[in-house]
Amino acid sequence: QSALTQPASVSGSPGQSITISCTGTSSDVGYHNYVSWYQQHPGKAPKVIIYDVSDRPSGVSSRFSGSKSGNTASLTISGLLAEDEADYYCTSYTSRLGTSWVFGGGTKLTVL
Amino acid sequence: EVQLVESGGGLVQPGTSLRLSCVASGFTFDDYAMHWVRQVSGKGLEWVSGINWNSGSVGYAASVKGRFTISRDNARNSLFLQMNRLRGEDTALYYCVKDRGTNWNYPHNWFDPWGQGTQVTVSS
Repeated sequence: QSALTQPASVSGSPGQSITISCTGTSSDVGYHNYVSWYQQHPGKAPKVIIYDVSDRPSGVSSRFSGSKSGNTASLTISGLLAEDEADYYCTSYTSRLGTSWVFGGGTKLTVL
Repeated sequence: EVQLVESGGGLVQPGTSLRLSCVASGFTFDDYAMHWVRQVSGKGLEWVSGINWNSGSVGYAASVKGRFTISRDNARNSLFLQMNRLRGEDTALYYCVKDRGTNWNYPHNWFDPWGQGTQVTVSS
């Protein structure tokens, strides 16, 4: 069981928008504004697409956006493209004892 | 181009040891903290360990604390993970990952880039 909770799967048609949630606690997601999101295509290493809740690294499409409310962070992908089909993970630093960095369980995005 | 290349994985028996290595290039290695993150096949990501730019501070997940040791050699642009008393649940693809900053435990960190990983399989 992962420390951060994500839906196992989401789907959408090309051109649509989808949102993936990432729910933690007041010790991690709710503790600060430093959630990051990663995209992982099959057989490939993860790649950061959002950091500090809502910032995008250079080169990442503006179709990707992030937000946070309380203990839940969200990743929104607008104008879905076939190439967006991948697994998405959120992560946050935690102040809980016994661990430091926690990931969500991952969400499989299917573009219909 | 920033590049991280892991090596040292393999098939080992429970209770034995393995040492993973990661060679970095394309950036000033001793300016950044580094991490190991693992992924069981078909499953999610798990942070394993992190180390500051100068080895002054290290951290471990509870699942590996006391068995794994992270280290680095800045002169050789290399990161290591010594894994002792391996268990079946340590079976995973191990990624070497660069931090955004100098300290592994700053909340504002993020992980990029990632190497391609080295597979560790623990089985009798």
